[in-house]
Amino acid sequence: KAGVTQTPRYLIKTRGQQVTLSCSPISGHRSVSWYQQTPGQGLQFLFEYFSETQRNKGNFPGRFSGRQFSNSRSEMNVSTLELGDSALYLCASRLGQYAGGEAFFGQGTRLTVV
Amino acid sequence: DAKTTQPPSMDCAEGRAANLPCNHSTISGNEYVYWYRQIHSQGPQYIIHGLKNNETNEMASLIITEDRKSSTLILPHATLRDTAVYYCIVRAFNAGGTSYGKLTFGQGTILTVHP
Repeated sequence: KAGVTQTPRYLIKTRGQQVTLSCSPISGHRSVSWYQQTPGQGLQFLFEYFSETQRNKGNFPGRFSGRQFSNSRSEMNVSTLELGDSALYLCASRLGQYAGGEAFFGQGTRLTVV
Repeated sequence: DAKTTQPPSMDCAEGRAANLPCNHSTISGNEYVYWYRQIHSQGPQYIIHGLKNNETNEMASLIITEDRKSSTLILPHATLRDTAVYYCIVRAFNAGGTSYGKLTFGQGTILTVHP
């Protein structure tokens, strides 16, 4: 079956702009998490959604937001982009809502802010 | 979630077993040990997880000490394609808990498999 799909794969934006990234989880998976990866901070948890509800949120400013649709697809939005937002943004899907079970990651969206 | 400690880097010869250690001395009774790896520029890949018994799958084996304070991931016959960053993560299996699916990644171990 198809894996986690993230679009677009690469993106270049200018400071001050906003961006929306998309994630389609594995068919049947209802939990979607987002992570930011930078060389300095490594992989950091942004937020997790299940059944269109945000279940958990990492320590990121309010410029970072997300949502999940009824078909489990998820989007994350970053407003007023800063140079430091340049990163690889990864989406992971899981079958259920609770802590067990492995997460399957997409290939990520590489965002460059200039 | 409990904190883990891993060596920053390790080398392994192709065809030999790669043994990657992880220390998680503050692990709680309801916390599992998970291993993921990340090959350059790709998303992390799940490898294996366990609670207290040794586990094996088609990718690797996981050996957890009796006191559960440390574990070792074993890749029995390492290949060049196993060169990656390996992350050991301890996470609660707590139905209804607030952590849900959050994974807390450390710096991991950079495993380099050489010919």
